[in-house]
Amino acid sequence: QLQLQESGPGLVKPSETLSLTCTVSGGSIDSHNYYWGWIRQPPGKGLEWIGSIYYSGRTYYNPSLKSRVTISVDTSKKQFSLRLSSVTAADTAVYYCARRTYYYDSSGHWLGEPFDIWGQGTMVTVSS
Amino acid sequence: DIQMTQSPSTLSASAGDRVTITCRASQSIGRWLAWYQQKPGKAPKLLIYKASSLESEIPSRFSGNGSGTEFTLTISSLQPDDFATYYCQQYNSLLTFGGGTKVEIK
Repeated sequence: QLQLQESGPGLVKPSETLSLTCTVSGGSIDSHNYYWGWIRQPPGKGLEWIGSIYYSGRTYYNPSLKSRVTISVDTSKKQFSLRLSSVTAADTAVYYCARRTYYYDSSGHWLGEPFDIWGQGTMVTVSS
Repeated sequence: DIQMTQSPSTLSASAGDRVTITCRASQSIGRWLAWYQQKPGKAPKLLIYKASSLESEIPSRFSGNGSGTEFTLTISSLQPDDFATYYCQQYNSLLTFGGGTKVEIK
């Protein structure tokens, strides 16, 4: 059964770059049917989608974070990564990685489903 | 950007109650709406996709309805395990979550 595991520093200084990695196990990262995403949740608040990546490296980002976000993939390591630059206290959150399934419908449209498999999440605190 | 608004933000109910949560989109999203359940310290769990399709192994007491801009999640008979926070998410254009509805014990 496919599992996702986030990893990375739990503490980042203001103005620095937050870097996290998600490792895929129990399945393939380079399947044509999946996009891989990052979502975050500040303490006591709701969920915010950050961005998603295909195994080919194609990405799409939340417009509100786009200027600071880079998501990359390393299929040989079965990992995808998040970099968020110029962080502030507002970036303090639990960061989740997750999988999105895509498929072709009967009309040939390439359609995505919501996130069906999630990692357990990792808490990142931005503080000096 | 599409905004998603959930109501109520908190709902107090008892086991056995029928509860309904509403999610409204700022523009039409067809039926491209999902519902998630989240418990404290845990990742969200997908319950419903395409507005009304039940994810595998999710109990049938959960149901979704709606299209366009207004959607509902109904729990027909609240079980102790259902006290949690519920989020809607649109995936018609990029991805946006609602603010969440906490279902608490009355």
